[in-house]
Amino acid sequence: AQTVTQSQPEMSVQEAETVTLSCTYDTSENNYYLFWYKQPPSRQMILVIRQEAYKQQNATENRFSVNFQKAAKSFSLKISDSQLGDTAMYFCAFNVPYGNKLVFGAGTILRVKS
Amino acid sequence: DTGVSQNPRHKITKRGQNVTFRCDPISEHNRLYWYRQTLGQGPEFLTYFQNEAQLEKSRLLSDRFSAERPKGSFSTLEIQRTEQGDSAMYLCASSHGQGDYEQYFGPGTRLTVT
Repeated sequence: AQTVTQSQPEMSVQEAETVTLSCTYDTSENNYYLFWYKQPPSRQMILVIRQEAYKQQNATENRFSVNFQKAAKSFSLKISDSQLGDTAMYFCAFNVPYGNKLVFGAGTILRVKS
Repeated sequence: DTGVSQNPRHKITKRGQNVTFRCDPISEHNRLYWYRQTLGQGPEFLTYFQNEAQLEKSRLLSDRFSAERPKGSFSTLEIQRTEQGDSAMYLCASSHGQGDYEQYFGPGTRLTVT
């Protein structure tokens, strides 16, 4: 069974600074997908970024980038130039190519301060 | 594309009552998922439909829970004889495909059992 662990329950960052959220996972699969989802307060969850395990290059989406370390089973999210609108709960999630369900971590609450 | 919608957004019920939630996925998505999210935790998979067929159910889905997707469009999740432990946010998601396909989430239905 796959598990996803987010060891930081809460984080805070000053506006315009950079913050990194941690995620580790456990799986015996060789090919899989990793995701970061954002859940703003009282709003629906949206996909921030995804990474295919077979790709060595780390995914980047504007101010969001990941550091994917397959051997260490680590998948951290870096948010650059943090904005107030980045305040949200962030979930790391896992899926396999044939998979029909996402396996989520417990989440990290990120607060961006002005 | 109006996104995934869920109704009602909030439901308060007394223990022992039955409740039903509805999810309307993105129209061209043939896959539909239900997750449950308790306070401070990440979403946990409950069940999955491909078109009208329910193809996978979690062990979390006890006999008191039933889900349907009668015409492969909207879905309903019914909980019979509700218990206080059923209090949670129930999330619906839909996608084009499996694996790395993005799952689009609805706003959720928050259930409170008193």
